[in-house]
Amino acid sequence: DIQMTQSPSTLSASVGDRVTITCRASQSISSWLAWYQQKPGKAPKLLIYEASTLHSGVPSRFSGSGSGTEFTLTISSLQPDDFATYYCQQYNSYPRTFGQGTKVEIK
Amino acid sequence: EVQLLESGGGLVQPGGSLRLSCAASGFTFSSYGMSWVRQAPGKGLEWVSTISGSGGDTHYADSVKGRFTISRDNSKNTLYLQMNSLRAEDTAVYHCAKDRGGSGDDWGQGTLVTVSS
Repeated sequence: DIQMTQSPSTLSASVGDRVTITCRASQSISSWLAWYQQKPGKAPKLLIYEASTLHSGVPSRFSGSGSGTEFTLTISSLQPDDFATYYCQQYNSYPRTFGQGTKVEIK
Repeated sequence: EVQLLESGGGLVQPGGSLRLSCAASGFTFSSYGMSWVRQAPGKGLEWVSTISGSGGDTHYADSVKGRFTISRDNSKNTLYLQMNSLRAEDTAVYHCAKDRGGSGDDWGQGTLVTVSS
């Protein structure tokens, strides 16, 4: 199975900060990676698919990059609505696997 | 507007069974693969199972293989998850998600399954 490792697990930041979350795969997944945002008690929301394609309706301050085994999610200027937990997921092969999540907290 | 509404969760004893349903609307259901993803209390997301649009291709996490069965009724726009031999570690909120080539682009709010005596 492909293991997905996110870092950091928790991130404290202020409104307006540039934030970067890293996701590493235990083997190459090409660009078959998605990023999700989840708020407490809510369903996850797709932000980015195929590593760098912004899902419809997602603000342009979110961007994704990477291929192979190393990927990043960047929020260019953190907004109050962005405090949440973020997950990466590989869909290169089954079983599909998620990272453990990165919680973005208010500093 | 895509809507996914799960139902069927509840409290069940270890070893028991439940069938979850996910009623879909707002898109051509039979054209999309569908998945179940669960989240144990206070934990991260765990992929459970995926089924193709036709229903002919299914995949399962090792943790549920042989106990859970995913299926769909395209005439009713409904996805199912039959869960047998339930264990305490199956306690979670179960979400259904519409597959967008492997990623989930629309998710339901989830239904809570609690396995406890």
